[in-house]
Amino acid sequence: SAVISQKPSRDICQRGTSLTIQCQVDSQVTMMFWYRQQPGQSLTLIATANQGSEATYESGFVIDKFPISRPNLTFSTLTVSNMSPEDSSIYLCSVERRDWEQFFGPGTRLTVL
Amino acid sequence: GQQLNQSPQSMFIQEGEDVSMNCTSSSIFNTWLWYKQDPGEGPVLLIALYKAGELTSNGRLTAQFGITRKDSFLNISASIPSDVGIYFCAGPDVKTSGSRLTFGEGTQLTVNP
Repeated sequence: SAVISQKPSRDICQRGTSLTIQCQVDSQVTMMFWYRQQPGQSLTLIATANQGSEATYESGFVIDKFPISRPNLTFSTLTVSNMSPEDSSIYLCSVERRDWEQFFGPGTRLTVL
Repeated sequence: GQQLNQSPQSMFIQEGEDVSMNCTSSSIFNTWLWYKQDPGEGPVLLIALYKAGELTSNGRLTAQFGITRKDSFLNISASIPSDVGIYFCAGPDVKTSGSRLTFGEGTQLTVNP
C-alpha cells in the first residue's frame, strides 16, 4: 500500500478565488492521479501526473482550470482556479503501486460559496 | 470510455446478514478492483482480481472475477455496523493508454444494528 496525505483536508472558498491542494506520498511513485468526486457521485479522473512531464488531462478538464505540478516523485499539487460553486467537490489524489492497484489519499473537501 | 454498472445502488440490511453486490460491463475487463469509501475518507482497496473465474477472500469479504470477464461480484458475510460505506468496483480502461481506472457508480450500504 502507500501512505498518502493531502492538504488541506477541507476548505471553504469564495467564488473567483483559487485553491492549491497538496498531495504527499511516503515513497517514490511514477504516476500520480487526481480525481474529483462530486456530492453523491463516483470518482472522475481529472488528470494523470508524471514527474518530469506535463500532466495528461481527461476530456472535460483543462490545464487553465486545473493546473497540476509534479516537481518530484513524492509530491504533486492540483490548483482549482477561478472557482465557482460547481467546483464544490471532494478532490482525491492517488498513486499506483502495482498492476492497476491505486491507493488514495484522504481527500480534500472543497466548498465554494 | 468504458462504463461499469453497479447494483444495487443502495442496500439497507440488518447486522449479521450477508450482502451481495455486483458490477457489470458491456466490454471485457482484465482486472477488477473493489474499493470501500467510509464517510469523509478516501476509497480503500479491498480486493484485486486478475484472472477470469478467480475467487478471492479478505476476511469476511469475498470477490469473484466473472468467467465472461464482463462482471464481478462482492459478498460480505455476517455484516457489522462498520461495514457501512460506499463500495465501488473499478477496472482499467484498456481502450486508452496509461493506467486509468474506470469506477462504477457505487453501492451505498447501510447496516442497522
